[in-house]
Amino acid sequence: EDQVTQSPEALRLQEGESSSLNCSYTVSGLRGLFWYRQDPGKGPEFLFTLYSAGEEKEKERLKATLTKKESFLHITAPKPEDSATYLCAANEAAGNKLTFGGGTRVLVKP
Amino acid sequence: SQTIHQWPATLVQPVGSPLSLECTVEGTSNPNLYWYRQAAGRGLQLLFYSVGIGQISSEVPQNLSASRPQDRQFILSSKKLLLSDSGFYLCAWSPPGLAAGTQYFGPGTRLLVL
Repeated sequence: EDQVTQSPEALRLQEGESSSLNCSYTVSGLRGLFWYRQDPGKGPEFLFTLYSAGEEKEKERLKATLTKKESFLHITAPKPEDSATYLCAANEAAGNKLTFGGGTRVLVKP
Repeated sequence: SQTIHQWPATLVQPVGSPLSLECTVEGTSNPNLYWYRQAAGRGLQLLFYSVGIGQISSEVPQNLSASRPQDRQFILSSKKLLLSDSGFYLCAWSPPGLAAGTQYFGPGTRLLVL
């Protein structure tokens, strides 16, 4: 059974304190690994798609990386506006469905 | 550009009442469409997905059903709501085809069943 596990469940950071979120996955032939940001009461907002091990993508203070077993979302010098829940999802090669992890709630204090 | 709409934004319904949530997508043709439910503080659970008009795949057996009467319209329904149906319902679309492109989400519907 495909599984996606995110850790930690919650992360409290001081403004400027860099950290990393982990997303480990077990899928049959990864077709894509997706990262989303979700603000309270809103739909997830797409951030990145990674397709192969070694790939990296950046957007402002966020950088996503991918290995054969896991993905990391690095937050560099976070600001309070980076506070949100970050979701990762994996797509297996056999279909067009995404399996989501439980998310990491990030709180950045000024 | 593509946009996705959901309504209503919030809904409070009594147990046993019917349900109809609507999702429409603009700016694309023949999208893949998805319904997810998100329980409080938890990840997204895929309920249904559709690759075309009248084509619905169910992921979780329950008292909900989905229909796609038009190319860019996706409806989630129930004949009798249960307390456990409360949650945040999200509709999403992705480009057509079997290859899983990025899914883009709507604003969601908050459903409270009392």
